[in-house]
Amino acid sequence: DTEVTQTPKHLVMGMTNKKSLKCEQHMGHRAMYWYKQKAKKPPELMFVYSYEKLSINESVPSRFSPECPNSSLLNLHLHALQPEDSALYLCASSQTAYNEQFFGPGTRLTVL
Amino acid sequence: AQKVTQAQTEISVVEKEDVTLDCVYETRDTTYYLFWYKQPPSGELVFLIRRNSFDEQNEISGRYSWNFQKSTSSFNFTITASQVVDSAVYFCALRLMDTGRRALTFGSGTRLQVQP
Repeated sequence: DTEVTQTPKHLVMGMTNKKSLKCEQHMGHRAMYWYKQKAKKPPELMFVYSYEKLSINESVPSRFSPECPNSSLLNLHLHALQPEDSALYLCASSQTAYNEQFFGPGTRLTVL
Repeated sequence: AQKVTQAQTEISVVEKEDVTLDCVYETRDTTYYLFWYKQPPSGELVFLIRRNSFDEQNEISGRYSWNFQKSTSSFNFTITASQVVDSAVYFCALRLMDTGRRALTFGSGTRLQVQP
């Protein structure tokens, strides 16, 4: 199994909703990442987990809350989002934080 | 701070043409990694290659080749005999080897359109 999976593929939510994005990998990777990508822009790093501990938080607003329940799973909890948070959210994993990252297909999020 | 520049915003070629995507990077660190990723319309970023700053050997993989030149801080990517399936946005990225700074710095991307 050499892939990173993400669910859901698409998500539409209101500004008062609470939702979660899920990411899973079964490659034994110990580093996992969340990126946000706006249209026609490169991905921007949000969070890095290394060995299930949060190691980088790129000054992301608290309405985004990451969680790493185990070495294969990474969640992103969303609450009280703004329309400008609409974007493609990409999850990635790497063997360690020094290795190349493999990306999932992303969740396309629309906030109304 | 690090910076990656992909000056070509969009390139359009006809199938079977060769095409080179340019990447120029800036960093004061002497140890770093360089990457190329492909992002087709489906959205997933596909890893293509990683080079480290110690290794300036060029690499060829099928129709893809990469030219790394530290003297000009460039890491260019050439597709030989392009195909319609090569149509995608291509990102060049840099990451420092310093343990405290592991984030990828992406260029702005080059959109490649291969016409049949």
